[in-house]
Amino acid sequence: NAGVTQTPKFQVLKTGQSMTLQCAQDMNHEYMSWYRQDPGMGLRLIHYSVGAGITDQGEVPNGYNVSRSTTEDFPLRLLSAAPSQTSVYFCASSSYIRDGYTFGSGTRLTVV
Amino acid sequence: GNSVTQMEGPVTLSEEAFLTINCTYTATGYPSLFWYVQYPGEGLQLLLKATKADDKGSNKGFEATYRKETTSFHLEKGSVQVSDSAVYFCALPRGGGATNKLIFGTGTLLAVQP
Repeated sequence: NAGVTQTPKFQVLKTGQSMTLQCAQDMNHEYMSWYRQDPGMGLRLIHYSVGAGITDQGEVPNGYNVSRSTTEDFPLRLLSAAPSQTSVYFCASSSYIRDGYTFGSGTRLTVV
Repeated sequence: GNSVTQMEGPVTLSEEAFLTINCTYTATGYPSLFWYVQYPGEGLQLLLKATKADDKGSNKGFEATYRKETTSFHLEKGSVQVSDSAVYFCALPRGGGATNKLIFGTGTLLAVQP
C-alpha cells in the first residue's frame, strides 16, 4: 500500500548512543518532514526537506541530523541520545500543501 | 505567519451525543484548513479538509465549515461512537513563504463512553 513507512516502531537507547530513524515514502512527494510529539507540547517540527539534496531546520533541530539523497528516503539521525529525546517521532510527506500531509505510524523512542 | 487555536480537552461524551471541537485561526489570505485524527498508538490521519472559504469538508460523519467571517473551522459530528475516541488536531499552512509547512493545534482528546 502507498504511504509513509517508518522503522523501527519502538526503540530503547542508552544515553550517548546514536541511531537512525528510517522514513520512506512511495508517493513521489517532494516535501518530507520530521516531527516529535510530546505530552502537552503538540507536534514540533524537527527538520524538513523540500526535495532531494535540500534540507532545513525546524523548531527543535538540536541533537538531530537529516539528509535527503533520494526523493523516497528521509532518515533522522540522533547523534548522541539524551533522555530529553524520549518522544514519539513522526515522519510526514506531501506534494501540494492543499492536499495536506501523509504521516507514518511513528517511532516510539525511549532514552534511558 | 499563520496561527491556530484549538479547544482544550479532554472532551468526554456519551455515545450518540453531539460533538463540537472548536478551532479558530489567524491567516493571511484563505489557506486550506485541515482536521487530523490520531487513534491510540497510531500516526495522524487526514480526517477532512476545506480548500476555500465557505467550503464544507466531511468524512466518516464528521463535518467542518470554513468560515472566513469568524475565522473558524469547528469540527462537528451529530452522533459520536466509542470508536471515535481519539485526539483531533486542527491544522493550516504556516504561511509567510513557508509553502509546505503545516502548523497544528495542540490537539483535543475525545473520550466517548458507552
